[in-house]
Amino acid sequence: ETGVTQTPRHLVMGMTNKKSLKCEQHLGHNAMYWYKQSAKKPLELMFVYNFKEQTENNSVPSRFSPECPNSSHLFLHLHTLQPEDSALYLCASSQGQGLGSSGELFFGEGSRLTVL
Amino acid sequence: GQNIDQPTEMTATEGAIVQINCTYQTSGFNGLFWYQQHAGEAPTFLSYNVLDGLEEKGRFSSFLSRSKGYSYLLLKELQMKDSASYLCAVLDSNYQLIWGAGTKLIIKP
Repeated sequence: ETGVTQTPRHLVMGMTNKKSLKCEQHLGHNAMYWYKQSAKKPLELMFVYNFKEQTENNSVPSRFSPECPNSSHLFLHLHTLQPEDSALYLCASSQGQGLGSSGELFFGEGSRLTVL
Repeated sequence: GQNIDQPTEMTATEGAIVQINCTYQTSGFNGLFWYQQHAGEAPTFLSYNVLDGLEEKGRFSSFLSRSKGYSYLLLKELQMKDSASYLCAVLDSNYQLIWGAGTKLIIKP
């Protein structure tokens, strides 16, 4: 069983659709993250939640809306997306947001999003 | 600006040794990480270096030189399952992770 689970694994949506990505972590971590991964580009941090509070929003367009109802669950609500938003969206968790001395992030396998 | 550079792609032969380099320019330094990501899978933690020198972990070793802003990941006795992307990331002074674009390693028989 993976520590961080993401659903759906694949999603195809039109520009007028509304959909949500879900992430669940079973590791007892306090911090959760959304990253965007595009081909041949560095991972882009989108949002960070620490103890359910959003602590980071990296100038992400408002068509992406995160929700963190508790320390174990994280959602990314999507609406009126653009084709350039097509990418792999990775969820991650860590023991603390500061990443401490080990800095280890635990990633989910990602949700592959295609916007038509 | 902050920048992490690593080769886009490398090819090596099964059983051989390969070294993947990473150079960085960041605002402060609180450690350097290597992650492995197989196609279609989650990135997984490989190593963390905060002091200069070589850290060995089985077939994988990671080296850091803070004065040179340089690290490498050394993979020995390559196996086909080592075909993956290898991501270098630096923790800056604000404890933000700055990521490289990753190196795709192709292992040939």
